[in-house]
Amino acid sequence: AQSVTQLDSQVPVFEEAPVELRCNYSSSVSVYLFWYVQYPNQGLQLLLKYLSGSTLVKGINGFEAEFNKSQTSFHLRKPSVHISDTAEYFCAVSGGYQKVTFGTGTKLQVIP
Amino acid sequence: NAGVTQTPKFRILKIGQSMTLQCTQDMNHNYMYWYRQDPGMGLKLIYYSVGAGITDKGEVPNGYNVSRSTTEDFPLRLELAAPSQTSVYFCASKIRGTTTEQYFGPGTRLTVT
Repeated sequence: AQSVTQLDSQVPVFEEAPVELRCNYSSSVSVYLFWYVQYPNQGLQLLLKYLSGSTLVKGINGFEAEFNKSQTSFHLRKPSVHISDTAEYFCAVSGGYQKVTFGTGTKLQVIP
Repeated sequence: NAGVTQTPKFRILKIGQSMTLQCTQDMNHNYMYWYRQDPGMGLKLIYYSVGAGITDKGEVPNGYNVSRSTTEDFPLRLELAAPSQTSVYFCASKIRGTTTEQYFGPGTRLTVT
């Protein structure tokens, strides 16, 4: 079985400040980790993914995430957020049987 | 490529009515999925399919049915709508493999009153 925990349901941050969105996972098999972004009234789109190799993964729009196997975490970071980053962010894990398990999402609110 | 398309965008149903949510993808993806999204609950998997003629239940299949007669189409059927089925429904597809990402449609917002 696999699961994903996003502890923060909402994260308010001022424009141009850094942000970290937290994601922890559990799985009994090797995992592949994803971050998706959902802008208002749209479907989800891929931000970045970790498959293997370097634990620091860079994605679109200046986001990056670090895979930490010992802490079973895959936190998403951006050094300086913009108003356009206001969205909901979902962490997901794919570990087998072609199913993907999503976290409950974190709403990032960028304050001007 | 249009990607993943869903129709309708919005729908209001009365309790007990039936409807089909349409999903089509033009990327020749083997795998297709139906999710529902409720506030604060993330995405819950309803049904998925690994190819034409093959479907399987997800976490929350009760009250829904699916079919996959072609690679492109994966319709979701609600037979007897209930207020608990008020939600936003997303269809997604991807190519074979656990390392590949999903591509999502724009969603269908369904209200059952």
